[in-house]
Amino acid sequence: QKEVEQDPGPLSVPEGAIVSLNCTYSNSAFQYFMWYRQYSRKGPELLMYTYSSGNKEDGRFTAQVDKSSKYISLFIRDSQPSDSATYLCAMSTNTGNQFYFGTGTSLTVIP
Amino acid sequence: DAGITQSPRHKVTETGTPVTLRCHQTENHRYMYWYRQDPGHGLRLIHYSYGVKDTDKGEVSDGYSVSRSKTEDFLLTLESATSSQTSVYFCAIKGQGGADEQFFGPGTRLTVL
Repeated sequence: QKEVEQDPGPLSVPEGAIVSLNCTYSNSAFQYFMWYRQYSRKGPELLMYTYSSGNKEDGRFTAQVDKSSKYISLFIRDSQPSDSATYLCAMSTNTGNQFYFGTGTSLTVIP
Repeated sequence: DAGITQSPRHKVTETGTPVTLRCHQTENHRYMYWYRQDPGHGLRLIHYSYGVKDTDKGEVSDGYSVSRSKTEDFLLTLESATSSQTSVYFCAIKGQGGADEQFFGPGTRLTVL
């Protein structure tokens, strides 16, 4: 079993929809949780970063961490065609220097 | 963009030849990483460095070596390139100042014929 599981999609939604992206993980020691957005033929760019459990909001994006269920989510409100990209979740432990990535979910927002 | 550059950005080479990829950063970050990204596998760690001359292996280190003789440069070498090493290679740094996130370079697209 991989440490981080992420549904690869693809996910296709109409413009303005609410998008929910999710990852599950197996290592209860993970404390840092990140979401990256990757456009085609570009490097991943950090979108959201949270420590431990709870919610974090930044504009149209909300990251949620449920450590009891080992489940993290990224919500995108009022989705735009410019949100079309691959979204990767990543996580690391308090003491580790390695990061563990999901395989990414491909999202297309249709105008 | 955390001041990360990678060179070359694209390379085509033949099986059996050595290849070196360079990652350069301008912000004195201690930790640097090399990943490869392949369809269905996501990002997989090859090697990482936690200081000058201090490196450690990642998940897929076989066939790769690294060197870090200066803080700003982290080199990835494919000793004898194989077709299975055709991939997109990303360099990353770990943020400083209490944050624990990574920032990525633009990537190098390597094709081994």
